[in-house]
Amino acid sequence: GESVGLHLPTLSVQEGDNSIINCAYSNSASDYFIWYKQESGKGPQFIIDIRSNMDKRQGQRVTVLLNKTVKHLSLQIAATQPGDSAVYFCAENKNYGGSQGNLIFGKGTKLSVKP
Amino acid sequence: KAGVTQTPRYLIKTRGQQVTLSCSPISGHRSVSWYQQTPGQGLQFLFEYFSETQRNKGNFPGRFSGRQFSNSRSEMNVSTLELGDSALYLCASSMSDRGIAGYTFGSGTRLTVV
Repeated sequence: GESVGLHLPTLSVQEGDNSIINCAYSNSASDYFIWYKQESGKGPQFIIDIRSNMDKRQGQRVTVLLNKTVKHLSLQIAATQPGDSAVYFCAENKNYGGSQGNLIFGKGTKLSVKP
Repeated sequence: KAGVTQTPRYLIKTRGQQVTLSCSPISGHRSVSWYQQTPGQGLQFLFEYFSETQRNKGNFPGRFSGRQFSNSRSEMNVSTLELGDSALYLCASSMSDRGIAGYTFGSGTRLTVV
């Protein structure tokens, strides 16, 4: 069936290094992708999004790359800080601008930042 | 401004009982979505409401239901609770005219079924 999955369940990086979190998706009809960050005891927090007509989008210290050829999404975090420690989810949506509620989430990658 | 408020934060119920969870969206937000989060299945979409109408529904049994009131507050109900219903239930609200990025999640209700 259609699903969004993650390559690695855990990722440990040194403070100050760059982090790369990967995500694979299987539904070529998806036209909108989002990265969320979830800290312990909190709900998911929006980080950055990208539409399928783009292959790269940058935010503050974060970059999302979309490779539609291999159905791969990645989140790059520059100069990773201890506050970045959290679980990161990718999510896809097939109807941008329409019924936005039906997000399909990946399983999540736990990022741990070592001081 | 206040965020998305979910009550209660924690709940323990016995198998076979029913439960009602509440979500108060951000003021002005008209769309509310519900998700179930478990370690095994991750985040799964339950349903979405907009202007008191269910606009979208996930693949959950009929024991899971919801509604939205005229003030946009939403409730979800689970009847005949099963052990597998133990999960974090998350609510997210949006003005609905800003796409997914406009969705703000609450901190969730942790439901434990014993």
